[in-house]
Amino acid sequence: QVRLVESGGGVVQPGRSLRLSCVASGFTFRSHGMHWVRQAPGKGLEWVASLWYDGSDDSYADSVKGRFTISRDNSKNTVFLQMNSLRVEDTAVYYCARDVTPYPPNYFDHWGQGSLVTVSS
Amino acid sequence: EIVLTQSPATLSLSPGERATLSCRASKSISNYLAWYQQKPGQAPRLLIYDASNRAAGIPARFSGSGFGTDFTLTISSLEPEDFAVYYCQQRANWPFGGGTKVEI
Repeated sequence: QVRLVESGGGVVQPGRSLRLSCVASGFTFRSHGMHWVRQAPGKGLEWVASLWYDGSDDSYADSVKGRFTISRDNSKNTVFLQMNSLRVEDTAVYYCARDVTPYPPNYFDHWGQGSLVTVSS
Repeated sequence: EIVLTQSPATLSLSPGERATLSCRASKSISNYLAWYQQKPGQAPRLLIYDASNRAAGIPARFSGSGFGTDFTLTISSLEPEDFAVYYCQQRANWPFGGGTKVEI
């Protein structure tokens, strides 16, 4: 079965960096686009970033553009989110999600369990 | 940017009742709409894609309809496990609607 497992969350000070990882299993990872979606405490869902199946094209929400970078290692079935210059408002649970096709954007058909990032001094 | 407005914000119903959730787009999005369900402490789950197609494993009591700017998610007869928050979204790289909480 499809499984997505995030890691790398934690507490970090404003202005610092953090890298999230998401390990995929149960499907052909290199055949799907991947995304990161976040949810601030008690709030709704916000799409953060997406990446094509081969890593050749990426997209970002305006709120993170220039600070966050999505990447993938298809040899390790892993997608990453490098988060720099973190702000208090980046505090959220970060989910990785699989796109139904190799070429985002489409729909998220599988989600990880989430990784909590808390930005606080 | 296309804005999705969901209504009502909260829907109070009893098990066995029919639920009708609305999602309105600020301009036409053809049939490019998905519905997700999220229960407390859990990740969202895809219910409906392309406005009316049920995702794999989704019970037949869930149905979606609409085209252009007006979309509806209908739960024909609420089961206890259906009480959750429901989000609509045009497609993956676009904003979600604000959500509708279906409560007992």
